[in-house]
Amino acid sequence: EVQLVESGGGLVKPGGSLRLSCAASGFTFRNAWMSWVRRAPGRGLEWVGRIKTRTDGGTTDYAAPVQGRFTISRDDSKNTLYLQMNSLKTEDTAVYYCAAVGGSLQFAYWGQGTLVTVSS
Amino acid sequence: DIQMTQSPSSLSASVGDRVTITCRASQSISSYLNWYQQRPGTAPKLLIYAASSLQSGVPSTFSGSGSGTDFTLTISSLQPEDFATYYCQQSSSAPWTFGQGTKVEIK
Repeated sequence: EVQLVESGGGLVKPGGSLRLSCAASGFTFRNAWMSWVRRAPGRGLEWVGRIKTRTDGGTTDYAAPVQGRFTISRDDSKNTLYLQMNSLKTEDTAVYYCAAVGGSLQFAYWGQGTLVTVSS
Repeated sequence: DIQMTQSPSSLSASVGDRVTITCRASQSISSYLNWYQQRPGTAPKLLIYAASSLQSGVPSTFSGSGSGTDFTLTISSLQPEDFATYYCQQSSSAPWTFGQGTKVEIK
């Protein structure tokens, strides 16, 4: 059974940093592109970014609102995905989901989400 | 960036109704279109991928169609558990983008 378990969310002040983790099991993590998606209160889903497999170059892409502030990385030896969030803004308040990307570039599997609240 | 526009933003329907949600892309995305369902307080769930392929375990009352810029999600007979918010999402080119969502409510 595929499982994605996010952790690391919490309350942080504007300008602060936070690192989210996503522990994966039940599939071959090193072979999967991975992504982060968020949902702010009262809003819809928003793609944050993605990381390809090492075989595909391990490159990352980000949505414009987080470009330059957020960094996605992966540790295939630990089957874990990370999201380093710096210079946080109040508008980054959201539930953050990690997702495994399928062969047709769909978000095939999702974690349960972790809440990040940016507030003074 | 590719903009995804869903319509309607919300709808009211009864159990047993046929429901259709449309999604339009601002440029051609071939068949790189996926549909998700999100119930309150839960993670999104994949329903349809590559425009028309039903995800394993999803009831056959759900179907998807379209290619290029115009896509449709159809629920042939609405069930009580189908009351939720639905999102389309394109993965043709980064940044991957979602539609704004369609909330399906009980009439």
